Amino acid sequence: AQRVTQPEKLLSVFKGAPVELKCNYSYSGSPELFWYVQYSRQRLQLLLRHISRESIKGFTADLNKGETSFHLKKPFAQEEDSAMYYCALTATSGSRLTFGEGTQLTVNP
Amino acid sequence: KAGVTQTPRYLIKTRGQQVTLSCSPISGHRSVSWYQQTPGQGLQFLFEYFSETQRNKGNFPGRFSGRQFSNSRSEMNVSTLELGDSALYLCASSLGVIGDYGYTFGSGTRLTVV
Repeated sequence: AQRVTQPEKLLSVFKGAPVELKCNYSYSGSPELFWYVQYSRQRLQLLLRHISRESIKGFTADLNKGETSFHLKKPFAQEEDSAMYYCALTATSGSRLTFGEGTQLTVNP
Repeated sequence: KAGVTQTPRYLIKTRGQQVTLSCSPISGHRSVSWYQQTPGQGLQFLFEYFSETQRNKGNFPGRFSGRQFSNSRSEMNVSTLELGDSALYLCASSLGVIGDYGYTFGSGTRLTVV
């Protein structure tokens, strides 16, 4: 069975501080992992995929298969980063995403 | 290019009624998936269609059904509505394999059952 856990429902940091949103997963095979973001009153949108190893809006995420984690990091948080962040998993060639419960990030001025 | 379009944006229905939601994917996307989003359960997968065939189904009762047309547009139907069906229903489309491309989501249909 696939399972994604985001241990923090709420996370609050100050502008300019580093931020890390935690994501742990449970899956017996080789997963594909994503971070999605939902800004206030906007649709859910893809932030980044582990397969592409890219950095979007200063965010990066590294897949750690040993710890089954895919934490999202940004060295200097900005107020516009305030949003709900969802970690999600699919099987390779899969056709469904399993989402975590989400973490509401608030970046204070 | 146009994004994923869901209609209607808002719906209010009475218990026992049925409802049909519509989704138009991004042009060229052949995979359409549906998710239910609620404060208590988060985002839960309903089903996925590819080239008019249901490829995957989540753990929802048979009252939830869907279909996809030859132009990739998809509809979702919920019969005998219950109060617990109140949720935001999201449609997402993908160019191909999700692992390679990810999803593009629509804005959702907010269903309220009274």
